[in-house]
Amino acid sequence: QSVLTQPPSASGTPGQRVTISCSGSSSNIQSNYVYWYRQLPGTAPKLLIYRDNQRPSGVPDRFSGSKSGTSASLAISGLRSEDEADYYCAAWDDSLSGEVFGGGTKLTVL
Amino acid sequence: QLQLQESGPGLVKPSETLSLTCTVSGGSISSTNYFWGWIRQPPGKGLEWLGTIYYSGSTYYNPSLKSRVTISVDTSKNQFSLKLSSLTAADTAVYYCARQEYSSSSVAFDIWGQGTMVTVSS
Repeated sequence: QSVLTQPPSASGTPGQRVTISCSGSSSNIQSNYVYWYRQLPGTAPKLLIYRDNQRPSGVPDRFSGSKSGTSASLAISGLRSEDEADYYCAAWDDSLSGEVFGGGTKLTVL
Repeated sequence: QLQLQESGPGLVKPSETLSLTCTVSGGSISSTNYFWGWIRQPPGKGLEWLGTIYYSGSTYYNPSLKSRVTISVDTSKNQFSLKLSSLTAADTAVYYCARQEYSSSSVAFDIWGQGTMVTVSS
């Protein structure tokens, strides 16, 4: 059972906008930054969003992050087939004094 | 361009200790701007942070694994290492090393190794 809760799956059609949620608590999401990773099959995760809503260099602006209270979301607009991957949220947890990941969401592009 | 490469045994016996090394190339592990971390992923499952080290040797670990995890750094070789003791089948996973932003409460791993699969079996 992950400290951060994500839906196990999500789907969308090409061109569509999809959002993936990440639910936490006052000790993680509400009081610390949220990070998002994308993992293509058989590869290492890649940092997609840092500090709630910042994109590393090279990440297209189709990807955006937001946070409200104890929940965060990753939005992907203009969905493409290559966006089919697993997506993970992460945050520091003050109660655990450690870094925690969500269980991951498998995004399918129909 | 900075690269990280994990190395170590692919098969380890139950109750033994796993030792993995991450070699950093294209940059210095002694940079004051970064931590260095270990993350693992059991087959078909999600990511789990194991621990993080600074070039000075200061560390912090996942509380659920703290009694079994030791991370060390060798700046002369530009490497950092993971030791995980008392292995069980539940420790079977792909183990990644990664560079981490040097910032309080940051979980920004921006450069990752390719990962190495470790199987715990007799």
